[in-house]
Amino acid sequence: NAGVTQTPKFQVLKTGQSMTLQCAQDMNHEYMSWYRQDPGMGLRLIHYSVGAGITDQGEVPNGYNVSRSTTEDFPLRLLSAAPSQTSVYFCASSYLTESRQYTFGSGTRLTVV
Amino acid sequence: ILNVEQSPQSLHVQEGDSTNFTCSFPSSNFYALHWYRWETAKSPEALFVMTLNGDEKKKGRISATLNTKEGYSYLYIKGSQPEDSATYLCAFKTFGNEKLTFGTGTRLTIIP
Repeated sequence: NAGVTQTPKFQVLKTGQSMTLQCAQDMNHEYMSWYRQDPGMGLRLIHYSVGAGITDQGEVPNGYNVSRSTTEDFPLRLLSAAPSQTSVYFCASSYLTESRQYTFGSGTRLTVV
Repeated sequence: ILNVEQSPQSLHVQEGDSTNFTCSFPSSNFYALHWYRWETAKSPEALFVMTLNGDEKKKGRISATLNTKEGYSYLYIKGSQPEDSATYLCAFKTFGNEKLTFGTGTRLTIIP
């Protein structure tokens, strides 16, 4: 009963490097999303998906790419890391029902130097 | 961008006392209001999802109310305990929009 699994938990990148943050869920949730959390700000939506093959932009999508080839996985790609992308990243998933609750992963703390 | 506001930003409460805090959101096109509890070094955990005006939800000593016409929700904690120390987040969703917009949270500290 893993829920939402994020890897890695910590990562340090150099400016300009690329990497992929992994998110997997085993609850057969249709909806998956990526948020970033910065001091003094609420969780801000980066990208989301309502099913395999369907993705859309959130509030702060620039610099990030996503794909959803399976129901279970929703990786977040940083194309060319910048110091402004230093943040804690959370993946969240849910069913597509009226009263759905989100299940969050444990987060990835990313530092770009 | 929808604006969800939470007040106060932080709160210190004596153990055993009751407390409440507020989430304000745009009242037009309302679909759902979520409350999450977020302990330090953990991930947010769902408390309630409310969809109807006048909804009241309860889980143990924690309860929440919803007023969609005036655009606010209250979260109440009765007889605060040290384990209630956490940040409480609310989030708002409109019709036809899959995005959940979060407030910045109320950070609650219970003083033993």
